[in-house]
Amino acid sequence: AQSVTQLDSQVPVFEEAPVELRCNYSSSVSVYLFWYVQYPNQGLQLLLKYLSGSTLVKGINGFEAEFNKSQTSFHLRKPSVHISDTAEYFCAVSEMDSNYQLIWGAGTKLIIKP
Amino acid sequence: EAGVAQSPRYKIIEKRQSVAFWCNPISGHATLYWYQQILGQGPKLLIQFQNNGVVDDSQLPKDRFSAERLKGVDSTLKIQPAKLEDSAVYLCASNGGADTQYFGPGTRLTVL
Repeated sequence: AQSVTQLDSQVPVFEEAPVELRCNYSSSVSVYLFWYVQYPNQGLQLLLKYLSGSTLVKGINGFEAEFNKSQTSFHLRKPSVHISDTAEYFCAVSEMDSNYQLIWGAGTKLIIKP
Repeated sequence: EAGVAQSPRYKIIEKRQSVAFWCNPISGHATLYWYQQILGQGPKLLIQFQNNGVVDDSQLPKDRFSAERLKGVDSTLKIQPAKLEDSAVYLCASNGGADTQYFGPGTRLTVL
């Protein structure tokens, strides 16, 4: 992948409201797609991934993402957020045959308002 | 199964000093990565090992950074001498040959 763009650096949302974190990528070849979450002062944890098959992928903690090949997007959604979802979320892309090297977005901070 | 271990968790040094970080990957994982994550940015790959060989070190500033994985298990990343712009979190990850990288907690380096 040549680049990964996370369109929002911060997303504030009220508790129990739905949220969508946007991710777009550019690549001339087929890709694998990932969302990782980073809680404060912790390492990165895999939320979900798309390798092939169904374009709607479900992950941990109630998150899901949809791969849209025509729009080269992989947006992350959750229908109802909780205060514990406060974290930074990173979209990453790996081109096939790249030895699973990841190209990362800059991250989106999800801020949950009580 | 134990995760990726890193030490130390935090390090504060003066510029021009040297520093070393240690990583122990998940048992059996042949691929090991070192990333640099500057505040407000995504991780940047510094070096990728496959067993004890280097797969990619194209973004490693070789004039000051070095890394080794002598026995194909744990790894050390060194910076000598450190600069102010090296202040970052250094993340280690490992991969057992599949599609997912597993990350350690990181080492937060502050260079004064």
